[in-house]
This record gives sequence, structure tokens and C-alpha cells, in this order.
Amino acid sequence: GAVVSQHPSWVICKSGTSVKIECRSLDFQATTMFWYRQFPKQSLMLMATSNEGSKATYEQGVEKDKFLINHASLTLSTLTVTSAHPEDSSFYICSARDFRLAGAKETQYFGPGTRLLVL
Amino acid sequence: GNSVTQMEGPVTLSEEAFLTINCTYTATGYPSLFWYVQYPGEGLQLLLKATKADDKGSNKGFEATYRKETTSFHLEKGSVQVSDSAVYFCALSGGTNAGKSTFGDGTTLTVKP
Repeated sequence: GAVVSQHPSWVICKSGTSVKIECRSLDFQATTMFWYRQFPKQSLMLMATSNEGSKATYEQGVEKDKFLINHASLTLSTLTVTSAHPEDSSFYICSARDFRLAGAKETQYFGPGTRLLVL
Repeated sequence: GNSVTQMEGPVTLSEEAFLTINCTYTATGYPSLFWYVQYPGEGLQLLLKATKADDKGSNKGFEATYRKETTSFHLEKGSVQVSDSAVYFCALSGGTNAGKSTFGDGTTLTVKP
């Protein structure tokens, strides 16, 4: 199946710094990428939907100035957590989908996740 | 809006036991249904899917049938192994909320030797 990578896999940073997480589709082009947040022993919470070349659509309650998303190409989306604080510590997972593939239009491929710890 | 309700966990079974994890959904339109598995410290992996009513998804001994009449997509496996220990998520995508996925809360399965 299709492969999605994330980098870094884990990061520790000081409070107040910004952290960038990359999500790449390695063997397919992703028209759409999704960013999720997962707290321990909980389900995935969709943060935003990112379409290549356009602004991301954020879910209700997600601060767009806090979580900056860029999807500049069909294989790369980035999530930047700006001025991170301890409450931003979480597991961030991206997924990618190519809506042009009629037969696979409902299939999204997940990255391995990035664990962020803000001290 | 769309919603997915999963059987609450955790579920603990002995090796070779039969597994059922219940999943029901609420959606308008005709969504696709999925089961994902998440191993400790990792992201989600697609386990199986079904895109229309009465379809059966299967993979690695797991199977689930899309039941529109009962709005269910229960996950089953006839004989679990220790390596099946993970968190399982039921999800739907499409319908009137095309593009976004809705996930259940996840069910933690522990299989003991």
C-alpha cells in the first residue's frame, strides 16, 4: 500500500519554541492531507484538512494561529506548533489521500505519528 | 453529523479465543467503513474496509461485514494471537461528510498466551 512518512518521529522542546512536523507521501500524490491529534488512550481528533495549494480548513476549536499548516506540494504538508506549551504535548498523526483516484477515493494512508513533548 | 460507537474496552482474551468488537455508526448517505489497528507507539494501519452494504472486508484473519440494516460493522477473528494485541478503531468516511473520517473511541485488545 501507499506509504506516508512523518518527521521527526519524536521531539522534545522548551516552552515557547516552535516545532515543525513534516508529513510526506512517498509513493503517491496527496491532494489532501489531514492532521490529527491523539491524547493517551483516546481516539484521534481531527485538527485540520489541508488541500494542496490552498489554505487549510480547521476544525472548530482548533487555533489556526497556533497550529500553522502548509501544503505546498502534492507530497508534503507541514504542521508548525507555534509558541508551544506543555498542554500541546501530544501524538500528532497525519494522513494523506489522493481524491483523483476514483477506486481508492475513500482510502487514506496514515503516517507513523510524531510524539511532541513540551517542557 | 456522522458518529461511530465502538464497544468499550479493554478486552482481554486468551490466545486462540474468538474475538468480536462491536461497531455501530450513524451517517447520512452511503459511507465507507473501516477498521484500523494501532500498535503501541505507532500510527494507524488500515486493517480492512468495506465500501457498500453487504460487502465483507477481510485481512489477516479479521473480517467485518457492512450491515446497513443494523448500521453495524463488527470486527471478528476466529482465533486471536498474542501479536494481535493493539488498539482497534472503527471509522467511517464519505456519505454527506465526504473527505473527512469519523473515528470511534478505540478498543484496546490484550491477548494473553
